[in-house]
Formats: sequence, structure tokens, C-alpha cells
Amino acid sequence: AQSVAQPEDQVNVAEGNPLTVKCTYSVSGNPYLFWYVQYPNRGLQFLLKYITGDNLVKGSYGFEAEFNKSQTSFHLKKPSALVSDSALYFCAVRGVSGYSTLTFGKGTMLLVSP
Amino acid sequence: DSGVTQTPKHLITATGQRVTLRCSPRSGDLSVYWYQQSLDQGLQFLIHYYNGEERAKGNILERFSAQQFPDLHSELNLSSLELGDSALYFCASSVVITGAYGYTFGSGTRLTVV
Repeated sequence: AQSVAQPEDQVNVAEGNPLTVKCTYSVSGNPYLFWYVQYPNRGLQFLLKYITGDNLVKGSYGFEAEFNKSQTSFHLKKPSALVSDSALYFCAVRGVSGYSTLTFGKGTMLLVSP
Repeated sequence: DSGVTQTPKHLITATGQRVTLRCSPRSGDLSVYWYQQSLDQGLQFLIHYYNGEERAKGNILERFSAQQFPDLHSELNLSSLELGDSALYFCASSVVITGAYGYTFGSGTRLTVV
């Protein structure tokens, strides 16, 4: 079975500081990895994905994520946080081979203070 | 606007009742996925349809059922509702059966059972 762990329920960071939202995964074989963001009363919006290739993936709104196969991690990062980045962030995984749906982590609330 | 349309946006109903949630996928997408989001369970996969056929079931209760119609829209039917069914229900779509390139989410239906 595949699974995702987001160890922090909440991450607090000051505006202008770098941010990291952690994600580790478990899947059979190689993974497809995704980050989504959810603003209040909205659906999930796609941020970025890792399919294959370069371990550093760049996505929307200045976010990036680094795939680390040995640590089975896919942490979300941004060099300089904005107050408007405050939202709920979800990491998701599915295996490359065979059929499966996306499995999501429980989400991490990011709060960026002015 | 993601292109995935969910109606209604809000629904308040009494215990024991039955409701139907509707989803129209993004144009060209053949796969429809239903997820339930609650505070304690996070995002739980319910069911996946591809081009009218059920492809996978997740943590879907027997009181819940779904179908995908020839025009590719999908309906999620929830019956004998309980207070614990109160949640945000999301529909997502993807162009391929595997969703290897991620899903596009609708804005959700917030169900409140009183």
C-alpha cells in the first residue's frame, strides 16, 4: 500500500524567510509525487509534480520541491515566504507502475506572519 | 476556474436523508475521482470512474454510491445520512485512467448533516 506522511500539522514562518513543508512517502517502485495547495473554502490547486528527471522541481508561485529517493522525501520549499502563501498544503503520491489513485497526506497548514 | 464543476456548493440536510452531489469533469477528461475531506480523516479517496465504468473503490461506505453517465458527468449519492458524514466532498478529473499527471479538483460541496 502507498502512503504519505506530513509530520507537521502546522508550519509558522515570518514573511521574507525561507519555508519548508515536509513530506515523506512510501510506495512500491518509483513514485509520481505531487504538491497541492488549498485556500479557505476552495478546492485543491496543483502546485508541482515530480514524474522523472531532475530531482529539483519548480512549480507555481515560486515554489519548488526536491525529490530524494534515498530518504523517500519530497519536501516543498520557497526561498522567501509571502503572507498570501498561508494555506493548507497537501503532498500526494502514486506508484509509477500498475494502477492506483493518488494517496494524500493529512495536510500541513502554513501560516506566514507579516 | 479549474474546469471541474461541482454542484451544489453547500448542502444542509437532516440525519436519515439522502442527497446527490454532482460533478462535471474538465472538458476531455475521462476519469472522475471522488474524495471526502474531514478534519479528522484528511482527504479520503472514495471511488474512481473511467469513461463510465467503476475502476476503484476506496473508503466508501455502503450507504454511498456513485455513477458516471455517458456525458461523463458523475453523481455521488449519499443515503441514510449521519452526523459524521458532514464533510467537504471533492470531485477531481484527469485525462488518462491512471492520473499519472495529476488531478484537477473542483471547488467541492460542503455537506452539513444536522
